[in-house]
Amino acid sequence: RKEVEQDPGPFNVPEGATVAFNCTYSNSASQSFFWYRQDCRKEPKLLMSVYSSGNEDGRFTAQLNRASQYISLLIRDSKLSDSATYLCVVKTNTGGFKTIFGAGTRLFVKA
Amino acid sequence: DAGVIQSPRHEVTEMGQEVTLRCKPISGHNSLFWYRQTMMRGLELLIYFNNNVPIDDSGMPEDRFSAKMPNASFSTLKIQPSEPRDSAVYFCASSFLAGGEGEQYFGPGTRLTVT
Repeated sequence: RKEVEQDPGPFNVPEGATVAFNCTYSNSASQSFFWYRQDCRKEPKLLMSVYSSGNEDGRFTAQLNRASQYISLLIRDSKLSDSATYLCVVKTNTGGFKTIFGAGTRLFVKA
Repeated sequence: DAGVIQSPRHEVTEMGQEVTLRCKPISGHNSLFWYRQTMMRGLELLIYFNNNVPIDDSGMPEDRFSAKMPNASFSTLKIQPSEPRDSAVYFCASSFLAGGEGEQYFGPGTRLTVT
């Protein structure tokens, strides 16, 4: 079992749709969680951190469920520009910080 | 801010040759990371430095790979000898908070092709 798992997709949705991605992690001691966005042939960029209480940034909402060991990302009112790969990131302090990226979920938003 | 700077952006080399990738982190950041990304394996952490000291190199695939950080503003990743399976995009990233707790800012990557 991979330490961080994501549905690779692709998710094909029309503009204006709501889409949700989940990411599961195996290490219950993991401490920090993030969603990154990566455009085709570009570098990953931080989309948002994920806090235990959940957090929202405009059309994006991230949530953490420690009991079930997953994080989620909800995108409301999808835009064409949201088309990208979304990477789940989990960090665990094992004496030094171990950073693991999920393989990513591809999203295509269509007009 | 200039962001994380990597060079070269593209590298094509023949099997057996030495390859050196370079990275300049964002000024003031004290953690630096080297990643490799392929379609098959996704984004893998190779090594990270904190205050120029290697902290975790467990992701370095084998002895052909080595990384150095002689000062706070420069790091290299060297592959010697290179093999076709090393073909990938290599990203360097830096962060401000010690231990990599903070946001990591990625460079544009070096696309390496080994023939």
